[in-house]
Amino acid sequence: EADIYQTPRYLVIGTGKKITLECSQTMGHDKMYWYQQDPGMELHLIHYSYGVNSTEKGDLSSESTVSRIRTEHFPLTLESARPSHTSQYLCASSELGPGRFFGPGTRLTVL
Amino acid sequence: ILNVEQSPQSLHVQEGDSTNFTCSFPSSNFYALHWYRWETAKSPEALFVMTLNGDEKKKGRISATLNTKEGYSYLYIKGSQPEDSATYLCAFDRGSTLGRLYFGRGTQLTVWP
Repeated sequence: EADIYQTPRYLVIGTGKKITLECSQTMGHDKMYWYQQDPGMELHLIHYSYGVNSTEKGDLSSESTVSRIRTEHFPLTLESARPSHTSQYLCASSELGPGRFFGPGTRLTVL
Repeated sequence: ILNVEQSPQSLHVQEGDSTNFTCSFPSSNFYALHWYRWETAKSPEALFVMTLNGDEKKKGRISATLNTKEGYSYLYIKGSQPEDSATYLCAFDRGSTLGRLYFGRGTQLTVWP
């Protein structure tokens, strides 16, 4: 069974705070992704990584940053949260082949 | 950004009804079409990955068909049950080395007992 974890699951925070959304997978997958979903909208790719020390921005512009120091860990950081960052953030991973495994998401609200 | 359309946006059916949804995607540069089932507060769960034109896949009461030439896929649920209530997402895959997916907005299904 695929295991990919995200914490926190829900976060309500004030404007200007720095936040880090955690994502970890236990499958040893090289490729990892962050998707963002605003209410009623599609999932959009905001960051991806081919492996350790490899990160790229996705289709949707995002003020967040990511890092990939370890294969299993792909955290996303917002240096100064704003209400426009209110959204759901999903982490995913994959290996060779078309399969993708998703975490349960973090629902972020910035007041 | 590629355009992937899903319809209807939401659907309410009675237990026992059969239902179907549509996913439309670009007919060029096709590699695969993914269907996911996403229950509230859970991870999206992969249902099918479809790659061949004319492909039909089945998992229990759920089945899917694929037409890559005209760019659409149907998902069918036979005899809907309340536990089928979820958002059903489709995602278009061009087969890039990254493995990027382009998602539709989903069809939200509610099955009433």
